[in-house]
Amino acid sequence: LAKTTQPISMDSYEGQEVNITCSHNNIATNDYITWYQQFPSQGPRFIIQGYKTKVTNEVASLFIPADRKSSTLSLPRVSLSDTAVYYCLVGDSYTGTASKLTFGTGTRLQVTL
Amino acid sequence: EAGVAQSPRYKIIEKRQSVAFWCNPISGHATLYWYQQILGQGPKLLIQFQNNGVVDDSQLPKDRFSAERLKGVDSTLKIQPAKLEDSAVYLCASSPGRGPMNTEAFFGQGTRLTVV
Repeated sequence: LAKTTQPISMDSYEGQEVNITCSHNNIATNDYITWYQQFPSQGPRFIIQGYKTKVTNEVASLFIPADRKSSTLSLPRVSLSDTAVYYCLVGDSYTGTASKLTFGTGTRLQVTL
Repeated sequence: EAGVAQSPRYKIIEKRQSVAFWCNPISGHATLYWYQQILGQGPKLLIQFQNNGVVDDSQLPKDRFSAERLKGVDSTLKIQPAKLEDSAVYLCASSPGRGPMNTEAFFGQGTRLTVV
């Protein structure tokens, strides 16, 4: 089971780019890297997933170096509404089934004016 | 597309009582997860179903927790008897795919359980 380590909390001002780095030294060959966002009183929400190099969608970018032992979630120009907890997951895969999604403690991002 | 439905949203019970939570996943999703989230912590996986079979229940306290997914669609999670430390939000999620690349799960709003 690949464990992940990420900062407990981060602060940012509105309009800035935020980069949250996650380390996963024991990542396995088949594991994908996934990030979720969670607002208070809501369930987590999928943000982005990647295997290697760079992935970008309308919400965020995910940078994964060649050794895949870490990844960085990049949120461009954050707003107050991006204040949430961000989880980095490395999914254990079972043959023929969907991934086991193991959440850590996450990074609490606070965005202020 | 309808999301993952959970009920009830809130439940308050006394310790040693029983409680059940219900989850209706997104139609067609083969994988269903139950998580427990204690305040200030990340969600902890209790059990994972693939259709109506259990894939992983290694962290389910089987002396008091049980879960079933009859017919491979909706699911119930039961606690009997409840302890004070079971106070948490119980989250249900579902996922459509198979294989390691399918890591997108859709979560319900959760059931907030308070044991007094």
